[in-house]
Amino acid sequence: EAGVAQSPRYKIIEKRQSVAFWCNPISGHATLYWYQQILGQGPKLLIQFQNNGVVDDSQLPKDRFSAERLKGVDSTLKIQPAKLEDSAVYLCASSPVNLGYEQYFGPGTRLTVT
Amino acid sequence: AQTVTQSQPEMSVQEAETVTLSCTYDTSENNYYLFWYKQPPSRQMILVIRQEAYKQQNATENRFSVNFQKAAKSFSLKISDSQLGDTAMYFCAFMKPQGAQKLVFGQGTRLTINP
Repeated sequence: EAGVAQSPRYKIIEKRQSVAFWCNPISGHATLYWYQQILGQGPKLLIQFQNNGVVDDSQLPKDRFSAERLKGVDSTLKIQPAKLEDSAVYLCASSPVNLGYEQYFGPGTRLTVT
Repeated sequence: AQTVTQSQPEMSVQEAETVTLSCTYDTSENNYYLFWYKQPPSRQMILVIRQEAYKQQNATENRFSVNFQKAAKSFSLKISDSQLGDTAMYFCAFMKPQGAQKLVFGQGTRLTINP
């Protein structure tokens, strides 16, 4: 069974530029999560989708971050404009519906904002 | 809101030794899940072990076991016969089973196994 796929693995941008990350969850997993992991900290949930609806986006900085999950499969997380403090690893995870204790993580995207 | 605290930023042991990582959490919930995740340099979060709060028996997975003390809100991970491949960041995490099933993570413990 293929795992959670993410791209790119690394991205370096200048502040005020925009960037987008892509995630493809495990086939059949209805729930998709985006976590932000700042260096030296544990991951923090940014947004959670169930199918193509948002379940929780309470910690998403909506003035600069946006996310979508069209057709309830792939998801894209965008930052525009980026700030220095957005430098982090962005982790995508997926789980079967209502089985959040079965979350599987992707390899993450390391973003560096200079 | 739930919080998870890992008080050991770094630990180091010799190969084949036993090591225990500490975790405490704060919640008013009675039913929840607790997890230990491993994050090697590749950055992929790997589930090590999971404990359901309503189960009194401590979870075990081969060389990994937990000591779950619900009243004390403590959830430690014991790694027996440690191996070089156990070197990684270890994160303790909490999850409520109702509503948005999001993981709340601690700050992590960097574990190094020395040959």
